Amino acid sequence: GEDVEQSLFLSVREGDSSVINCTYTDSSSTYLYWYKQEPGAGLQLLTYIFSNMDMKQDQRLTVLLNKKDKHLSLRIADTQTGDSAIYFCAEKGRGGADGLTFGKGTHLIIQP
Amino acid sequence: DAGVIQSPRHEVTEMGQEVTLRCKPISGHNSLFWYRQTMMRGLELLIYFNNNVPIDDSGMPEDRFSAKMPNASFSTLKIQPSEPRDSAVYFCASSLRPSGETQYFGPGTRLLVL
Repeated sequence: GEDVEQSLFLSVREGDSSVINCTYTDSSSTYLYWYKQEPGAGLQLLTYIFSNMDMKQDQRLTVLLNKKDKHLSLRIADTQTGDSAIYFCAEKGRGGADGLTFGKGTHLIIQP
Repeated sequence: DAGVIQSPRHEVTEMGQEVTLRCKPISGHNSLFWYRQTMMRGLELLIYFNNNVPIDDSGMPEDRFSAKMPNASFSTLKIQPSEPRDSAVYFCASSLRPSGETQYFGPGTRLLVL
């Protein structure tokens, strides 16, 4: 299977919470990241979490990490139309390297 | 801070031509990364440099691809000769090592090889 896996699509209603899930395989990963990509644009870092943490909150964003299950999630509270984008999960530290390994991305679709 | 700067933003070329992509990392950053994004394969790391030295080029697809970092403020990714399957968005990112846990991405170069 893939090193970092994500669902391809998530559809939510405006104002609801969005939860985007990710699983990874490398237990040596040091940091885990969430990046956002809007159409035709580059990658914007949203947040990251160190592997010895289990939760991080930053305004509307909450990251949960279950290291035992190698499961990462991103919760976006009060989802707005501006949150419509592709969200990438990434891990750092695979094989001790500095490069990031990305998932294929989750398309977040906001319904009015 | 201007962020990571990439040029050109768009490039259209014909098969067999040489293509050179350029990147200026964030001032003070000492690690530089080249990634490629395609529909089929997603985002892949091609190569990265620490202190201008290539550390891992295992992601470079073929000998047609080469990357250099002659100084701390400039890097190039060259494809010679280019092929249609090289069409992709190429991203450059930089970070501060060893303390920097965050990679900052440039806007990307959209390459189309006809």
